[in-house]
Amino acid sequence: EDQVTQSPEALRLQEGESSSLNCSYTVSGLRGLFWYRQDPGKGPEFLFTLYSAGEEKEKERLKATLTKKESFLHITAPKPEDSATYLCAVQAVGGADGLTFGKGTHLIIQP
Amino acid sequence: KAGVTQTPRYLIKTRGQQVTLSCSPISGHRSVSWYQQTPGQGLQFLFEYFSETQRNKGNFPGRFSGRQFSNSRSEMNVSTLELGDSALYLCASSLSQGTEQYFGPGTRLTVT
Repeated sequence: EDQVTQSPEALRLQEGESSSLNCSYTVSGLRGLFWYRQDPGKGPEFLFTLYSAGEEKEKERLKATLTKKESFLHITAPKPEDSATYLCAVQAVGGADGLTFGKGTHLIIQP
Repeated sequence: KAGVTQTPRYLIKTRGQQVTLSCSPISGHRSVSWYQQTPGQGLQFLFEYFSETQRNKGNFPGRFSGRQFSNSRSEMNVSTLELGDSALYLCASSLSQGTEQYFGPGTRLTVT
């Protein structure tokens, strides 16, 4: 059974204080790993797709990396508008095409 | 390009009733997936449709069903509602199976 574990569950940072969110996964064969951002009362917003170990993607203050067992979402010099829940999901090769999500990391950036 | 739309946005139903939720995917997207989001369980996969065929189904009872039309629009139905069905129901569309999914705003269902 595919599993995704995200840590920490919640993280409070000061504006400008960089940090990383972790996503550990177990999947029979990885088709893709996805990062989403979700604001309260809204649907998840797509951020990145990573397909193979060693791959990196960047967007503004966010950078996602992938190894064979985990992915990191690095947040550099965050701003209050980066406050949200960040979700990690995996899609398996040859299995159900639905995404298996972690419970998310609730990130708060204080001004 | 317009995003994924879901109707209605909010719904209140009574136990035992049934409900139908609607989803219009991004233009050109042929794959539609449905998810249930609750505080306790997080996001859980319900089912996925591609070219009007259900391709995969998550671990939910048969009370949960869906369909997809020739224009890729999709509906999901929940029969004999239970209190535990209260959740945010999210629809996501993608160009094809296996590509990134784009989510709609969801339908907030409350069962009383």
